[in-house]
Amino acid sequence: EAGVTQFPSHSVIEKGQTVTLRCDPISGHDNLYWYRRVMGKEIKFLLHFVKESKQDESGMPNNRFLAERTGGTYSTLKVQPAELEDSGVYFCASSYGTAFTDTQYFGPGTRLTVL
Amino acid sequence: GQNIDQPTEMTATEGAIVQINCTYQTSGFNGLFWYQQHAGEAPTFLSYNVLDGLEEKGRFSSFLSRSKGYSYLLLKELQMKDSASYLCAVDRGNKLVFGAGTILRVKS
Repeated sequence: EAGVTQFPSHSVIEKGQTVTLRCDPISGHDNLYWYRRVMGKEIKFLLHFVKESKQDESGMPNNRFLAERTGGTYSTLKVQPAELEDSGVYFCASSYGTAFTDTQYFGPGTRLTVL
Repeated sequence: GQNIDQPTEMTATEGAIVQINCTYQTSGFNGLFWYQQHAGEAPTFLSYNVLDGLEEKGRFSSFLSRSKGYSYLLLKELQMKDSASYLCAVDRGNKLVFGAGTILRVKS
């Protein structure tokens, strides 16, 4: 069974540009999460999809970040315009269901560098 | 990180046993996960505790005390490949809240 995949693995952009990150969850997983880790800090929650609906987006830092999951399969996270403080590793995770607590399986992350 | 505390670094010898502690705020607790992360790779699920006690899975065990807001990950018969970052994460309603991670270095 394929795991969670993310694309690209690395992205280097200049301040003010736009970047779109993609996540393909494990097949059949309705729940999809985005997290990020900025330099020296802990991994922090950004948002949670259940199928195509945003269940919780309390961790999104500001309106420069837009996440979508059309059709309830893969998800994209767009940063527009990117700022220096957006640099970090963006992780995607997926889980099968939400019965009590469900294990989240993580992708390898996208390392974003904003210059 | 958000009141989840774990040591920053630990060093242990190949073949030995090491215990990595994690303390957390008890409010909004739905369960506790341990993940292993090698540099540049995905965090990999190791264990999950929701009830008090010890969960054993091969060389790895995890313990939870909900009343004390305390967990530990126990690694036995350490191998060089166990050198990695170990992440404690609390489920607060389908949202994982992570500690900063403990870097474990295994030396020969």
